[in-house]
Amino acid sequence: ILNVEQSPQSLHVQEGDSTNFTCSFPSSNFYALHWYRWETAKSPEALFVMTLNGDEKKKGRISATLNTKEGYSYLYIKGSQPEDSATYLCALDFGNEKLTFGTGTRLTIIP
Amino acid sequence: ETGVTQSPTHLIKTRGQQVTLRCSSQSGHNTVSWYQQALGQGPQFIFQYYREEENGRGNFPPRFSGLQFPNYSSELNVNALELDDSALYLCASSFRGPRPTGELFFGEGSRLTVL
Repeated sequence: ILNVEQSPQSLHVQEGDSTNFTCSFPSSNFYALHWYRWETAKSPEALFVMTLNGDEKKKGRISATLNTKEGYSYLYIKGSQPEDSATYLCALDFGNEKLTFGTGTRLTIIP
Repeated sequence: ETGVTQSPTHLIKTRGQQVTLRCSSQSGHNTVSWYQQALGQGPQFIFQYYREEENGRGNFPPRFSGLQFPNYSSELNVNALELDDSALYLCASSFRGPRPTGELFFGEGSRLTVL
């Protein structure tokens, strides 16, 4: 069973501060790594799909990096806003979008 | 809004009963995947349907079954419900073609409670 681990499990961040969290995995033999944002009572929303070692992606204030050799991906949020409050999930895709998810990082932004 | 709709949103069943959950995929998508999210866990892959056939299955027993229809909508059926089947069931659609994005589009889920 492949373990995709996310840390921390939860965190509280002051509005305006920047933050980051980690997705780690034991294997580099996957097709892609996905990041999703999941707000309460809504559907998970795709943030990034990353396929290459050293890949960096950015969407507004959110960015992500991937290091397949050392088995981790970081998600960064710059200048946190209340609307960033959500659970952030990472998942490995071994092909054909059959994803293995971590348990998520629950982010709360304090106004 | 992802364009993926699931029904019902909530339902309560008793042990031993059967349940059917439904999913309408986003327009233009030909692949539907189902995930189970139990309390405190990440979503777990149940199975995927592509062109009306099962195309991969996670570690779930045969009492979990599904269908995909010609319009690419899908059903998840669970027979002989057990207490541990209580979870949020997520449907995700995607497009598999010459240039797939790999991105999944999720519905809001169906929350099943088994008493």
